Amino acid sequence: DQQVKQNSPSLSVQEGRISILNCDYTNSMFDYFLWYKKYPAEGPTFLISISSIKDKNEDGRFTVFLNKSAKHLSLHIVPSQPGDSAVYFCAASTSGTYKYIFGTGTRLKVLA
Amino acid sequence: DTEVTQTPKHLVMGMTNKKSLKCEQHMGHRAMYWYKQKAKKPPELMFVYSYEKLSINESVPSRFSPECPNSSLLNLHLHALQPEDSALYLCASSQDRATSYTGELFFGEGSRLTVL
Repeated sequence: DQQVKQNSPSLSVQEGRISILNCDYTNSMFDYFLWYKKYPAEGPTFLISISSIKDKNEDGRFTVFLNKSAKHLSLHIVPSQPGDSAVYFCAASTSGTYKYIFGTGTRLKVLA
Repeated sequence: DTEVTQTPKHLVMGMTNKKSLKCEQHMGHRAMYWYKQKAKKPPELMFVYSYEKLSINESVPSRFSPECPNSSLLNLHLHALQPEDSALYLCASSQDRATSYTGELFFGEGSRLTVL
């Protein structure tokens, strides 16, 4: 049972345009969400997080949106850069617990 | 300092060997984690230590044995592994989730394990 899903395995975007990565979850107990970026053979790098008391969080070129009623979150990258090409994982957790559940990942390719 | 350091970066071992993976963090985090990641799959939780006590064991086979000697160090002892255990092993740390509403996971670069 995949509680966190990223339905797009891959995404290609032109440099300078917006990249939108999506993530859906099924467990209504999740109240803290994170996005990670991963290069091959490296550990995931934390990008941005959001708690369920918010519906938006921004950090530079990265913005995460949370729609609790739809159990959906998205990561927007504007403008996209070739160095953003990587696999992006969303993760979900319930406050007070140590379980972070990761989605299956979306491979983003930013074309120069 | 937001670094989690893992050694070795690469490890090749036979099925009868005993080896260990090591992880260190100096962020004052009280929770440390082992994750396993296979190619094109998400990281899967194996173990969590909170305040140096084993908090979560996700039904991991006993050929993997975790150890937390102190709040900064986490080891994973490996014995009699199978070829299907070949994967990237990731260590991570976070603030104490019991008292912190938030808490990003900070990952190390991983140890790439190959079992022959």
